[in-house]
Amino acid sequence: EAGVTQFPSHSVIEKGQTVTLRCDPISGHDNLYWYRRVMGKEIKFLLHFVKESKQDESGMPNNRFLAERTGGTYSTLKVQPAELEDSGVYFCASSTDLYTGELFFGEGSRLTVL
Amino acid sequence: RKEVEQDPGPFNVPEGATVAFNCTYSNSASQSFFWYRQDCRKEPKLLMSVYSSGNEDGRFTAQLNRASQYISLLIRDSKLSDSATYLCAVSRYGGATNKLIFGTGTLLAVQP
Repeated sequence: EAGVTQFPSHSVIEKGQTVTLRCDPISGHDNLYWYRRVMGKEIKFLLHFVKESKQDESGMPNNRFLAERTGGTYSTLKVQPAELEDSGVYFCASSTDLYTGELFFGEGSRLTVL
Repeated sequence: RKEVEQDPGPFNVPEGATVAFNCTYSNSASQSFFWYRQDCRKEPKLLMSVYSSGNEDGRFTAQLNRASQYISLLIRDSKLSDSATYLCAVSRYGGATNKLIFGTGTLLAVQP
C-alpha cells in the first residue's frame, strides 16, 4: 500500500513567488494534516482536514497560506507570495480514526525561499 | 515556554548502552502521548504510544507520569541503527479536531 506522498520534495523559489505543495494521503484516510518544521524549531501544526472540510486551521501563519482539499482526496498548500521566513520542511500526514489512529507522515516538501 | 520540552542532546552513547530521554509537557489537558523517531531528512515515524501504565516494545520502554507531566523513553542495548532524532509529541483534542504538539527532538548518536 502506498504511503503518504508529497510533491515536490524540494522547491527553491525567490521571495515574492508562489509555490504550491501537494499531498496525496493514504487511500481511505479521511484525516489530513499539514505540519511545518522551520530550521532549529519544532514541527508545528498548520491545519487539519476531515475529508474536504477544514476542521482546524489555527496553525496557519497568515493569509499568504491557502490549503485546499477538493473532493476530499489530495490536498494542496499554496504560499503566495512567499517570504524568507516560509523556508522549512512542510509535512503532510494522514490518519483513519481521529482519536486513536496512528498519524502517517509523508517525507516532506523542503521549501527554500531566497 | 514551549508546550513540549525536550533536551536537544546530542546524546552520544556506545553500542550496548542504555539511554533515557525525558520530555515535559505544560498543558495538563493533553490526552495522548507519543514518541516518534525521525531519521535525517526523513519523515517522523511513530515509535510508541505512551500509556500511564507504561509500555514496552522490545528494547524500548515508554512511561507517562501525569502528575509530574513528563514522558520518558528508555532504550536498552543501543544499536547503531537507533541513531536518530526522537520526538516527543502530545495530542490535544478540541471539538472535531486532534493535533499533535511536538518537542524539538533529542538527537541520539550511537557510536561503535
